[in-house]
Amino acid sequence: GENVEQHPSTLSVQEGDSAVIKCTYSDSASNYFPWYKQELGKRPQLIIDIRSNVGEKKDQRIAVTLNKTAKHFSLHITETQPEDSAVYFCAAKSGTYKYIFGTGTRLKVLA
Amino acid sequence: DSGVTQTPKHLITATGQRVTLRCSPRSGDLSVYWYQQSLDQGLQFLIQYYNGEERAKGNILERFSAQQFPDLHSELNLSSLELGDSALYFCASSPSAGVGTDTQYFGPGTRLTVL
Repeated sequence: GENVEQHPSTLSVQEGDSAVIKCTYSDSASNYFPWYKQELGKRPQLIIDIRSNVGEKKDQRIAVTLNKTAKHFSLHITETQPEDSAVYFCAAKSGTYKYIFGTGTRLKVLA
Repeated sequence: DSGVTQTPKHLITATGQRVTLRCSPRSGDLSVYWYQQSLDQGLQFLIQYYNGEERAKGNILERFSAQQFPDLHSELNLSSLELGDSALYFCASSPSAGVGTDTQYFGPGTRLTVL
């Protein structure tokens, strides 16, 4: 069945450094790839998304890249700040109705 | 605030009991999705409704059921509860049936504790 693998499961970076989280999906029909940030006990919040007709999208310190041939996409956070500390989830949506989420990456930004 | 509301915020109950979780989607959204998130786990897709009809099913147990009403709010019913059902249950909504590149917005979740 459809599957999304996410790596790493935990990531610690120094404040000001960059963080990269990678996801690989299995369904080649996937056409939409959102990224969510979830703080402890809170709702997942959409931070950026990319559609399959685009290779890269940037929003201030956050960027997402998509490689459809390799079926992977990545989240890049530059100039990390302590408030970036959270769990990040990637997801892939295929031509069916459901979203498949990755297992999450716990990001810690050390001050 | 995403515009998606969920009630109750917290629910504590005993094994064997039945509970109902409620979700109201964002104004204008026709699709509702339910997810289960156990402690320190990812989001497990349970079920999706679009305009009152079931559209997709994920890893939903037979003890669980859901429906979407004409006013588009949705309820998730969990019965014969077990300790392992303790989790955060999220509802999300999106504007359309979800066939295209539809963005989902999550509600604040209901924390269910089964004792």
